[in-house]
Amino acid sequence: AQTVTQSQPEMSVQEAETVTLSCTYDTSESDYYLFWYKQPPSRQMILVIRQEAYKQQNATENRFSVNFQKAAKSFSLKISDSQLGDAAMYFCAYRSVNNDYKLSFGAGTTVTVRA
Amino acid sequence: DAGVTQSPTHLIKTRGQHVTLRCSPISGHKSVSWYQQVLGQGPQFIFQYYEKEERGRGNFPDRFSARQFPNYSSELNVNALLLGDSALYLCASSPTGQARGGYTFGSGTRLTVV
Repeated sequence: AQTVTQSQPEMSVQEAETVTLSCTYDTSESDYYLFWYKQPPSRQMILVIRQEAYKQQNATENRFSVNFQKAAKSFSLKISDSQLGDAAMYFCAYRSVNNDYKLSFGAGTTVTVRA
Repeated sequence: DAGVTQSPTHLIKTRGQHVTLRCSPISGHKSVSWYQQVLGQGPQFIFQYYEKEERGRGNFPDRFSARQFPNYSSELNVNALLLGDSALYLCASSPTGQARGGYTFGSGTRLTVV
């Protein structure tokens, strides 16, 4: 079974600054998908960014970018120019290509943005 | 377009009771997944249904069951509720069972068992 580890329970960032969230995962598979989801107090999980393991290029979505290190099984999220609306719980998730029916989530990182 | 809708948003049940949670996927989406999120933890996979067939089941007891209807909406049923079943139950939908683009989640049902 794949395990996803987020070692930072909480992170705080000043508005307009940059914060990086860590995620590591354990798998024996060579092809898979990785995701970052944001969960604000409204509870709805919102997809922030996705990465396909066979692509070496790191994914970017506006102010959000990832650093995907396949050999190290690391998938960090960088939030640039942080905004107050970025405050939320962030979850890293893994999905296998072979057993593609489920997401395996980490425990999450709470991001606080200071004005 | 409406997103993934779940009902009810909150409910309180007593130990030993039964509960039914409901989910309507995004129009055109044929796959529905259920996740349990205990406070302070990441979501845990319970079930996935695609075209009314169960495609996958997580490590949950038989007290948990689900089904998908011809209109692709879904119900999650939990029997003989325990205090430990208190959690946020999330529903996610995708066009097919293979959500390469990720899943779209609803806002969840907060279940409290007393």
